[in-house]
Amino acid sequence: ETGVTQSPTHLIKTRGQQVTLRCSSQSGHNTVSWYQQALGQGPQFIFQYYREEENGRGNFPPRFSGLQFPNYSSELNVNALELDDSALYLCASSRDRTLYEQYFGPGTRLTVT
Amino acid sequence: AQSVTQLDSQVPVFEEAPVELRCNYSSSVSVYLFWYVQYPNQGLQLLLKYLSGSTLVKGINGFEAEFNKSQTSFHLRKPSVHISDTAEYFCAVISTGANNLFFGTGTRLTVIP
Repeated sequence: ETGVTQSPTHLIKTRGQQVTLRCSSQSGHNTVSWYQQALGQGPQFIFQYYREEENGRGNFPPRFSGLQFPNYSSELNVNALELDDSALYLCASSRDRTLYEQYFGPGTRLTVT
Repeated sequence: AQSVTQLDSQVPVFEEAPVELRCNYSSSVSVYLFWYVQYPNQGLQLLLKYLSGSTLVKGINGFEAEFNKSQTSFHLRKPSVHISDTAEYFCAVISTGANNLFFGTGTRLTVIP
């Protein structure tokens, strides 16, 4: 069984640029949730995708957007990057929107300068 | 609204000593409760969860937690810690009917040889 993978591992961008982060869900999982973890903080829920549709969103502006593909992998896109977007971005996969058994990837460390 | 408070940001403890990491939550409805561990440069791993039933929950790596509804607490305990337990620990809550996890700010456990 393949675990959750994320790419890239690290990324450095300049303020105002756009970024795309990728997540491959665990085999058999059809739900992906994205979280932002700022330094010294707990993860904060960005949004969840279930069967290619957004299924809930946290308190993040519209410049944070996502996609889920037919193979249930997912992308997180952030436009007009701000310095405060610097964080570890985690994705987690699960079955059928459940949050009780989420499996997290290792994360992508984004630095905005 | 729901929230999670982890009262201690850092907990140093000697090897083979017991440890308790504290977590309190607030929610107006029933909750599900979780503890996750994050090792350096890694994603989150589920230690244990409380969904229903017995209020004493046993997890991986010898950890356990007790759900106390009257105290709105879900403290994590281990009777004897190892060096390998050094990590960041996060308490998280889902209110029934919600579709996202709320995390605390984390407790850094450092085991001293």
